[in-house]
Amino acid sequence: AQSVSQHNHHVILSEAASLELGCNYSYGGTVNLFWYVQYPGQHLQLLLKYFSGDPLVKGIKGFEAEFIKSKFSFNLRKPSVQWSDTAEYFCAVNEPGANNLFFGTGTRLTVIP
Amino acid sequence: ETGVTQSPTHLIKTRGQQVTLRCSSQSGHNTVSWYQQALGQGPQFIFQYYREEENGRGNFPPRFSGLQFPNYSSELNVNALELDDSALYLCASSLSVNEQFFGPGTRLTVL
Repeated sequence: AQSVSQHNHHVILSEAASLELGCNYSYGGTVNLFWYVQYPGQHLQLLLKYFSGDPLVKGIKGFEAEFIKSKFSFNLRKPSVQWSDTAEYFCAVNEPGANNLFFGTGTRLTVIP
Repeated sequence: ETGVTQSPTHLIKTRGQQVTLRCSSQSGHNTVSWYQQALGQGPQFIFQYYREEENGRGNFPPRFSGLQFPNYSSELNVNALELDDSALYLCASSLSVNEQFFGPGTRLTVL
């Protein structure tokens, strides 16, 4: 079975700091990779996704993620965070065509103005 | 907003009771997936429905069951509720399995 690890449980940053959230998965085959965000009181929203091609993926709101197959990683980055980025971030993975997403436990990001 | 709606927003039940949660999928989406998100955890896949048939199931006991209707809306039923069933239940709709759109969830508390 697949599993997803997010080692940072809670990250606190000041505005304008750079962000990198780690995500590692345990599956040796082809995977689709996702980052979802959950703002306080809101539903899960897709930030970005990787299916194939360029391993550097651009998402909404200035976020990007890099797929490194040799490290089974899909880390999320943003060069300069804003207070409005305060939220919970979830990494997820599935096999192409599979019917379920495997989620990590999430990383809570708090951005201090 | 994703266009996926869930009802009710919150629900309180006691152990042993049964509960039904409802989900309306985004217009045009024929696939609905249900997830359980316990406090401090990521969502866990319960099952998926595609065109009214169950299309995959996670590691949940049979007392978790579901339905999908011709308009692609869906229900999640949980029988014989246990304290550990307290969680946020998320519904996600999709046209393909590769991109799912989530609803706001139903917060279930079992006392």
